[in-house]
Amino acid sequence: EAGVTQFPSHSVIEKGQTVTLRCDPISGHDNLYWYRRVMGKEIKFLLHFVKESKQDESGMPNNRFLAERTGGTYSTLKVQPAELEDSGVYFCASRQAGPTQYFGPGTRLTVL
Amino acid sequence: DQQVKQNSPSLSVQEGRISILNCDYTNSMFDYFLWYKKYPAEGPTFLISISSIKDKNEDGRFTVFLNKSAKHLSLHIVPSQPGDSAVYFCAASTNSGAGSYQLTFGKGTKLSVIP
Repeated sequence: EAGVTQFPSHSVIEKGQTVTLRCDPISGHDNLYWYRRVMGKEIKFLLHFVKESKQDESGMPNNRFLAERTGGTYSTLKVQPAELEDSGVYFCASRQAGPTQYFGPGTRLTVL
Repeated sequence: DQQVKQNSPSLSVQEGRISILNCDYTNSMFDYFLWYKKYPAEGPTFLISISSIKDKNEDGRFTVFLNKSAKHLSLHIVPSQPGDSAVYFCAASTNSGAGSYQLTFGKGTKLSVIP
């Protein structure tokens, strides 16, 4: 069974540009989460999808971040326009039944 | 305010000995606790978990202990192996009204197992 995959693994963009991160959850997992780890800080929750619906987006930092999960399969996280403080590693995780979440390898975003 | 705290940023242990990683939490609503292991440039890998209705869960070399009254949990690795060298994250979740199960993480403890 394939695990959670994320694309790209690394993205370097200029301040003010737009970046879109993609996450493919484990097949059949209805629950999909986005997290972010900024340098030196803990991994923090951004938002949670159940199928295509946003269940909880209380962790989204501001309206420059837009997450979608059309069709309830893969998800995208768009940052527009990117700022310096958006740099970090963005993790996606998925789960089906139970509380255990399975993480992808992350996307390292560097905003210059 | 950090709801999950791992107060030791690093730990060094001799191969074959026991590794004990500690975690404290403040939110009494947490009802499920998980440990993740992370290698550089990889995502966190699930290791072991424990429900708040239990005080111990064991899986091979890994045992997690939960002390609810002290709001403290620990991960024991016996015997420690060089391949265990990684960053270990403690995480907690609650099944809130929305059923989110979002994870709240500690900052991690870097374990180095010396051959």
